[in-house]
Amino acid sequence: EAQVTQNPRYLITVTGKKLTVTCSQNMNHEYMSWYRQDPGLGLRQIYYSMNVEVTDKGDVPEGYKVSRKEKRNFPLILESPSPNQTSLYFCASSPSSLGSNQPQHFGDGTRLSIL
Amino acid sequence: SQQGEEDPQALSIQEGENATMNCSYKTSINNLQWYRQNSGRGLVHLILIRSNEREKHSGRLRVTLDTSKKSSSLLITASRAADTASYFCATPTYSGAGSYQLTFGKGTKLSVIP
Repeated sequence: EAQVTQNPRYLITVTGKKLTVTCSQNMNHEYMSWYRQDPGLGLRQIYYSMNVEVTDKGDVPEGYKVSRKEKRNFPLILESPSPNQTSLYFCASSPSSLGSNQPQHFGDGTRLSIL
Repeated sequence: SQQGEEDPQALSIQEGENATMNCSYKTSINNLQWYRQNSGRGLVHLILIRSNEREKHSGRLRVTLDTSKKSSSLLITASRAADTASYFCATPTYSGAGSYQLTFGKGTKLSVIP
């Protein structure tokens, strides 16, 4: 089954403790992206990757890192999490970012709570 | 920055009624996409309408696009309780080198009452 898989689905942690949210897709998609969703603010893009070893900042990259060493994986790293990073996070992928007619496939989300 | 803005923010209807949601955007687009999000789940792509199309159908969904008014509408006919979800419009924003990013609106929360 074609899917985007995020782990963990839920995480409660404390300020400053490094964490990684994994994202994996099995569709051989070139493009992957991370979003955060907050009440009243909608979805905002954190980082995206157009292909292996090619990443770029989205609208709200501060406090986050990403890497794209393999085509299928795109982990989101919070080196020193802070309470304002408490949010619902989504990973998404699409065949390519080239051309604008590319629907995105979303994972089921990761709910992070930073205390 | 937000490109698409949905209206209304929330909508409550009885099962069997039609639901209409609107999306307005600011800049020229090549296409506009609609997504559905069930509570606590990821977004699911519903339909894409290109800038040279005025109307598109998919099952009980009907999407219109008016590029002169920079607006789109999503109509769900004969709604069901299972249609209860948030609905988002998304527009592609050019980010250089032939690449596009999707910018999402804040969504319309639809409640269908059995």
